[in-house]
Amino acid sequence: AAGVIQSPRHLIKEKRETATLKCYPIPRHDTVYWYQQGPGQDPQFLISFYEKMQSDKGSIPDRFSAQQFSDYHSELNMSSLELGDSALYFCASSRGGGGNIQYFGAGTRLSVL
Amino acid sequence: AQTVTQSQPEMSVQEAETVTLSCTYDTSENNYYLFWYKQPPSRQMILVIRQEAYKQQNATENRFSVNFQKAAKSFSLKISDSQLGDTAMYFCAFMKQNYAGGTSYGKLTFGQGTILTVHP
Repeated sequence: AAGVIQSPRHLIKEKRETATLKCYPIPRHDTVYWYQQGPGQDPQFLISFYEKMQSDKGSIPDRFSAQQFSDYHSELNMSSLELGDSALYFCASSRGGGGNIQYFGAGTRLSVL
Repeated sequence: AQTVTQSQPEMSVQEAETVTLSCTYDTSENNYYLFWYKQPPSRQMILVIRQEAYKQQNATENRFSVNFQKAAKSFSLKISDSQLGDTAMYFCAFMKQNYAGGTSYGKLTFGQGTILTVHP
């Protein structure tokens, strides 16, 4: 079965650079979630989209923005990167009426040097 | 705001034995879901089991079962016949149910995690 695809899997950036993370949800899933997991921490919710509209917002810095496109894929844009942004970024998708189960991608590991 | 607490940072168990991981949560909501996710060394987040708050019957998935005590706001995970592949970080997660456009969705709030090691 198709899973959530995230790209790239690994990303190395310098401080103050920008990064774009991509997420391709499971086909027919209409909701996408972004989470950030710092070293040794639990995942923290950043933002979510339902049918291409922002549905909820968590502890996402103003330097970050995201959107969901017409084909339901989503991108997380991160600017003015800081050392503290180094983390594993997960995308998850779910289907309305699908029992609220979120299926996670393998994550993008971002390292800011 | 909801909070999820896992009071056991680490647990260990012998292969083939049974282990129980604890989770408590705090919420004023009545409609919600609870989950256990497993994160092995690969860091992939894998759903283990799901419980709907309005269901009194405890969820079961093969060797995994939960003890859901709604009044006590407790949601423990029991792993029977532990296997080496069960070694992982286990996260308890809460999801408030939101509705929009005739469907439901919600962000996950995770606990701190419990590292489970299964010994041969």
